[in-house]
Amino acid sequence: QVQLVQSGPEVKEPGTSVKVSCKTSGYTFSNSAVQWVRQARGQGLEWIGWIGVARGNTNYAQRLQERVTITRDMSTSTSYMELSSLRSEDTAMYYCAAEIYTTSCCYFDYWAQGTLVTVSS
Amino acid sequence: QSALTQPASVSGSPGQSITISCTGTSSDVGAYNYVSWYQQHPGKAPKLVIYEVSNRPSGVPNRFSGSKSGNTASLTISGLQADDEADYYCTSYTTTSSYVFGTGTKVTVL
Repeated sequence: QVQLVQSGPEVKEPGTSVKVSCKTSGYTFSNSAVQWVRQARGQGLEWIGWIGVARGNTNYAQRLQERVTITRDMSTSTSYMELSSLRSEDTAMYYCAAEIYTTSCCYFDYWAQGTLVTVSS
Repeated sequence: QSALTQPASVSGSPGQSITISCTGTSSDVGAYNYVSWYQQHPGKAPKLVIYEVSNRPSGVPNRFSGSKSGNTASLTISGLQADDEADYYCTSYTTTSSYVFGTGTKVTVL
């Protein structure tokens, strides 16, 4: 069955970087896209960006694009989201989600459990 | 890209129907039929309930339905049940090949 499993919680100091992993299994990784979304406590979902796995093409939310990098490792079927120059406002639960390509488009039907990133001095 | 606009809260009694609106622009909701809806219970990851405006994934009850007119999409839950109490988010693919989420709606079953 399709599974997405993220790395564990992180506590980071302001100004540093964090890299969260999302290991996938149960489907053809190259035939998919992975998106990253975050949610601050008590707030709504915020789209961070996505990567088309086969070509490695990416697209990022405009307000984060200077600080975020999404990559993938085909050999381990894993996607990574790195956020730099961390600030307290980046404290949130970070989710990855997969779109397995079919004749339909543009939705994410498999989600991981989330990774809590806390930015604090 | 500004967030899509949803009502903050909607409520209904068991068995009733409710509708959640999701208003965007001609660059997102109005541009494509690529609106999806997600249900999120407290402390859980979001779950897809509608994709491509009106399609239901397997396993989602047919009480959930979606539609779109112009720049506004809607999610209707009929025969409201206690387990439907959750937060609901719309999202749309956009003309810049990105995605934008709605502001979220808290559904309360009275």
